[in-house]
Amino acid sequence: SQQGEEDPQALSIQEGENATMNCSYKTSINNLQWYRQNSGRGLVHLILIRSNEREKHSGRLRVTLDTSKKSSSLLITASRAADTASYFCATDGRGSTLGRLYFGRGTQLTVWP
Amino acid sequence: DSGVTQTPKHLITATGQRVTLRCSPRSGDLSVYWYQQSLDQGLQFLIQYYNGEERAKGNILERFSAQQFPDLHSELNLSSLELGDSALYFCASSVARSGALHEQYFGPGTRLTVT
Repeated sequence: SQQGEEDPQALSIQEGENATMNCSYKTSINNLQWYRQNSGRGLVHLILIRSNEREKHSGRLRVTLDTSKKSSSLLITASRAADTASYFCATDGRGSTLGRLYFGRGTQLTVWP
Repeated sequence: DSGVTQTPKHLITATGQRVTLRCSPRSGDLSVYWYQQSLDQGLQFLIQYYNGEERAKGNILERFSAQQFPDLHSELNLSSLELGDSALYFCASSVARSGALHEQYFGPGTRLTVT
């Protein structure tokens, strides 16, 4: 399977702390994306990092990509209770059928006030 | 609000029945994707349409079919429903022919319960 796998499966922290989630994948990619899903709702795109990029920032989000290790991390700084959600990484799988995304199982983040 | 709409929000039906899920993409988006999310399988890509034509196929069962109409809305048809088809079905849209080069915008989903 080309699916990304997030780690940890669940993470519980206090407001104000940083949250780090990791993603590993199996094949080479064009880009990697992170999405967020509130319980039972649709996914919301957070950030896209291309295979030739190593780090990207968006507000309180920082994403890194290490293509040699086939891994990525998502850091949420100064977390808030509203950040409570599931976070998924998605890859495209270079050379595979274009258009499809491969999602991992997600990390369930709980931020306590 | 992503701009992608899906109807209905919830659907409860019996085994053996057939249902149609509808999706309207964001204005200007030509690609529509369908995904199934269940507890045991996670989020699985089903099928993609681009400007009315099938572009990519994933783990879509033969009992399932989809189409994209000239106005770019899409329908996912699920027939001979089984208990295991109970899941959240998401539609997403993007600008590009290859959605993997651009972010995808997800609708709120249709929760299907097969009893």
